Amino acid sequence: NAGVTQTPKFRILKIGQSMTLQCTQDMNHNYMYWYRQDPGMGLKLIYYSVGAGITDKGEVPNGYNVSRSTTEDFPLRLELAAPSQTSVYFCASSPVGLSNQPQHFGDGTRLSIL
Amino acid sequence: KQEVTQIPAALSVPEGENLVLNCSFTDSAIYNLQWFRQDPGKGLTSLLLIQSSQREQTSGRLNASLDKSSGRSTLYIAASQPGDSATYLCAVEIIQGAQKLVFGQGTRLTINP
Repeated sequence: NAGVTQTPKFRILKIGQSMTLQCTQDMNHNYMYWYRQDPGMGLKLIYYSVGAGITDKGEVPNGYNVSRSTTEDFPLRLELAAPSQTSVYFCASSPVGLSNQPQHFGDGTRLSIL
Repeated sequence: KQEVTQIPAALSVPEGENLVLNCSFTDSAIYNLQWFRQDPGKGLTSLLLIQSSQREQTSGRLNASLDKSSGRSTLYIAASQPGDSATYLCAVEIIQGAQKLVFGQGTRLTINP
């Protein structure tokens, strides 16, 4: 009964390094999302996917890339880490579109860029 | 551009009180509104989802109302308990099928024993 699993939970990167934030869900949900949450702020959508092989940009996609090769996995890649990308990143999934079903969230990855 | 605001940013009340959290949005053309709970170091848990055609939803001690015309929603918590301490966020879906939620910044609620 894992739901949405994110790894790692914490990470410190140096400016210019790259990394991949992993997200996997075991609920066979078609829709998956990546958000970032800055201190004292709400969540902002980075990218989302409506199914394997289909991704689209959200509100703040610059500096990030995603892929969706399977239903279960939706990794988020930072190519050249910048201090502005210091944030908490949340992955979420839902069985169908948002209009009828709420999203299920992972516990987040806390990322610091120094 | 849709903006969602939650006031106050933080609220502290004694155990047992009934309380109301507020959420306002600037564009009334929404498809639904959701209330989430966020515990420290955790992700979000969906509490209530109100479709645009609905006026309210209830779950246990929680009741959420929606007034699209005035751009407001409230989350009512009855008989508050220390376990209700968390950050509460509201979010609106602005375009059906576009998969985009606009979030407020949240209200951090503390229930004092």
